[in-house]
Amino acid sequence: QVQVVQSGPEVKRPGASVKVSCKTSGYTFTSYYMHWVRQAPGQGLEWMGLINPNGGVTSSAQNFQDRITMTRDTSTSTVYLELSSLRSDDTAVYYCARNFNGFDFWGQGTLVTVSS
Amino acid sequence: EIVMTQSPGTLSVSPGERATLSCRASQSVSRNVAWYQQRPGQAPRLLIFGASTRATGVPARFSGSGSGTEFTLTISSLQSEDFAVYYCQQYNKWPAYSFGQGTKLEIK
Repeated sequence: QVQVVQSGPEVKRPGASVKVSCKTSGYTFTSYYMHWVRQAPGQGLEWMGLINPNGGVTSSAQNFQDRITMTRDTSTSTVYLELSSLRSDDTAVYYCARNFNGFDFWGQGTLVTVSS
Repeated sequence: EIVMTQSPGTLSVSPGERATLSCRASQSVSRNVAWYQQRPGQAPRLLIFGASTRATGVPARFSGSGSGTEFTLTISSLQSEDFAVYYCQQYNKWPAYSFGQGTKLEIK
C-alpha cells in the first residue's frame, strides 16, 4: 500500500534554513510527480512547487523561487524540500503529496516554526 | 496564475441535510478540478477528481459537477464526520495547481 511519511517538527530562527523529508513506499517512485503544499496556522492551502522524481526537474511558485530547493533520492524513494531565509510568516505545516488525478496521497505534514 | 474562489466561506447545515459548495475559476480549467476534505489536525483527503469522479473509498453521498469555470461539490445527506473544511483545486494550468481558500462546513 502507498505510504508517504514526513520528517518531524522543526523550530528555526529567522534567517535560517529548514529541510523537510518525505519518504514514499508502496509504488514506483519515479512514476509520479511529488508536490509541496503548505498551510499557515488557521489558513488555507498554498501550492509551493513540484519535483519529477524521474530526472529531478523541479518547478516552483513565484513566491518561493529564490528560496526553495526540491531534491530527490531515488535510492530511498525520498523527496526533500529546503526553504532558506526563513521568516516568521513561514511558520506553517508543510505537506508533500503525490500527483495522480489531483493529489491522491499526502504525507502527515511537518510543522515548521520560525521564531526568535 | 489561475485564481480559484470558493463560496460561501462558511456553510451551516443540519445533519441529514444537503450541502452545496461552489468553486469558480478565474479562467477555464476544463474539467481539471479536484475537491479535498480536511478535518482538524489532518492532512487533506482527495474526494473528487476530474470535476466529478469520486476517489477510491469516497462515499456516494459526495458528488461533483461542473466544467470550464464553475464547479460544485454536493454532499447529499450530511453525516457527523462530514463537518470539515473543503478545498477545490485546479490542475489544468501546469505546474501551479492553485487551491481555493476553502469552505468551512459547520453543524447548524
